[in-house]
Amino acid sequence: GESVGLHLPTLSVQEGDNSIINCAYSNSASDYFIWYKQESGKGPQFIIDIRSNMDKRQGQRVTVLLNKTVKHLSLQIAATQPGDSAVYFCAEWDSGGGADGLTFGKGTHLIIQP
Amino acid sequence: DTAVSQTPKYLVTQMGNDKSIKCEQNLGHDTMYWYKQDSKKFLKIMFSYNNKELIINETVPNRFSPKSPDKAHLNLHINSLELGDSAVYFCASSERLGSNGYTFGSGTRLTVV
Repeated sequence: GESVGLHLPTLSVQEGDNSIINCAYSNSASDYFIWYKQESGKGPQFIIDIRSNMDKRQGQRVTVLLNKTVKHLSLQIAATQPGDSAVYFCAEWDSGGGADGLTFGKGTHLIIQP
Repeated sequence: DTAVSQTPKYLVTQMGNDKSIKCEQNLGHDTMYWYKQDSKKFLKIMFSYNNKELIINETVPNRFSPKSPDKAHLNLHINSLELGDSAVYFCASSERLGSNGYTFGSGTRLTVV
């Protein structure tokens, strides 16, 4: 399953399938990006990050892809499990932008169906 | 041990009251933040503190005042609470100003009635 991030806040996929969560960021000067996972009743947790000098980074079952040309970021989760159900946020950082902190996207709610 | 801890986890109060939310981090980080998450899950930064100095203050009403007795603590005091203040408030910390690895607390759900 695939989301378009800001325009589709909920993504429902079958357990075992791959999922793709998309994010469009706004600041072309952003040079560092993070995906966070937020489970119900908890704070955001770091999943994976990528710097702007990279196009792809892989973790355990997760891959982040960065397309700076169109300011697009995606998170791919392989073989989704029930524990993957959560809201996923992309966050961007402009290291030359002073102390403004991380700017978060609006989030996508991933639902894993059995 | 919890890295970033907030208290209380839930807070229900009446309009017009004054309340505080406490945050402590045991990571030895220099910078702490407060974020507000609205009903649509949108996370927006409110404040950041670096070595007890306020670094940024977004368009937050002055009814909100962060207080940092030391670099391990950043409390949020809210005066004259309004219905629109109902949200989940998250504390976070990072190793230093400009460091982008944030560790978040578990949040405080504030409900103003």
